[in-house]
Amino acid sequence: DVKVTQSSRYLVKRTGEKVFLECVQDMDHENMFWYRQDPGLGLRLIYFSYDVKMKEKGDIPEGYSVSREKKERFSLILESASTNQTSMYLCASSSGRVTGNTIYFGEGSWLTVV
Amino acid sequence: GQQLNQSPQSMFIQEGEDVSMNCTSSSIFNTWLWYKQDPGEGPVLLIALYKAGELTSNGRLTAQFGITRKDSFLNISASIPSDVGIYFCAGHSLTSGTYKYIFGTGTRLKVLA
Repeated sequence: DVKVTQSSRYLVKRTGEKVFLECVQDMDHENMFWYRQDPGLGLRLIYFSYDVKMKEKGDIPEGYSVSREKKERFSLILESASTNQTSMYLCASSSGRVTGNTIYFGEGSWLTVV
Repeated sequence: GQQLNQSPQSMFIQEGEDVSMNCTSSSIFNTWLWYKQDPGEGPVLLIALYKAGELTSNGRLTAQFGITRKDSFLNISASIPSDVGIYFCAGHSLTSGTYKYIFGTGTRLKVLA
């Protein structure tokens, strides 16, 4: 079975803290994604990676960075958490670099910044 | 960001009834995907469609890739209480970039026992 695993389901962090959200996929997929999901705004792409050490900005990259040191692992970093980053964060992966492919999501990480 | 038009936005149905929902786009897609998301959980893939006109089933669920490649439909037959949740579509176009998935606004389904 396809598996995208997010390390933390629920986190509460203080404003200004550095936050790491980890994601691992076991499908040998090239592409990995980080989205945030907010009511009324749907899914918004933060960052995308199509290969190890490669990354591209999505629609809302401000305040975030990412790291992909291994093919199966994609980390989202909030350098200095702010309250407007309170949200549900979803990691996803898909295979292939050219053809459109099925995208699989993790269970989600609920982040509350206080 | 861009979102696909999905209808209806929400629906209440009786247990045992059939349900239909659809997604429309102004752009042509090469892939249509349908997901179900329960509260507090990540989206779970239901059906993937890769070819115009394709009709695919997954248990009581059936989805179709529209002939125009600008729409897709999801049907749920004989609904049961555990069908409650949010269903949303996603489209992907080869010309828009390998990472560019566009998501629907979601259909919230409530099933009355």
